[in-house]
Amino acid sequence: GAGVSQSPSNKVTEKGKDVELRCDPISGHTALYWYRQSLGQGLEFLIYFQGNSAPDKSGLPSDRFSAERTGGSVSTLTIQRTQQEDSAVYLCASSLAEALPGETQYFGPGTRLLVL
Amino acid sequence: DAKTTQPTSMDCAEGRAANLPCNHSTISGNEYVYWYRQIHSQGPQYIIHGLKNNETNEMASLIITEDRKSSTLILPHATLRDTAVYYCIVRNPISGTYKYIFGTGTRLKVLA
Repeated sequence: GAGVSQSPSNKVTEKGKDVELRCDPISGHTALYWYRQSLGQGLEFLIYFQGNSAPDKSGLPSDRFSAERTGGSVSTLTIQRTQQEDSAVYLCASSLAEALPGETQYFGPGTRLLVL
Repeated sequence: DAKTTQPTSMDCAEGRAANLPCNHSTISGNEYVYWYRQIHSQGPQYIIHGLKNNETNEMASLIITEDRKSSTLILPHATLRDTAVYYCIVRNPISGTYKYIFGTGTRLKVLA
């Protein structure tokens, strides 16, 4: 595709429900990143994929958060038993090759999650 | 932890050059400096990046000091559409991830 796409663009859920957020990276990009941005804050790293494996999960805030990537393409971020503090914009980015210092990440528009 | 410090906010008159500074005094030899911007309610947009030399593209110029401890992003002729939060990022190579560590950025307001 022309850019990184994410769905849904907006999600409202009730506390305690599970949600799934989807990211479609740019075609051919092997590296994929998830970030979270709370209201008025900078971006917070969550997890990185190289192909289908996740060598860095250090940013996942709790075991309620998980992510997977299949076929080296689409990734899904799952939040179980959502809490109000999970409300944020969840951003996905991809880059062409394995993570290198000069590699550029391209971001999607984000999914705005509101937990009531 | 963010490795960069930026002013919280800046104003610039439309049509004038906007010069956005960034300090990254602990930068190491293989770390690049990236600039992104985020217009309200959108994902971050890549602007430019560099290692040692000054860089220029269709959007902006990046001036990196010789000791690499600071840099300046220059938007040569700012327009109202350039109003955004600008992030200066030093890419963190921990664990080979090269993830971005975002700070709070500079909120640039271009004034008519």
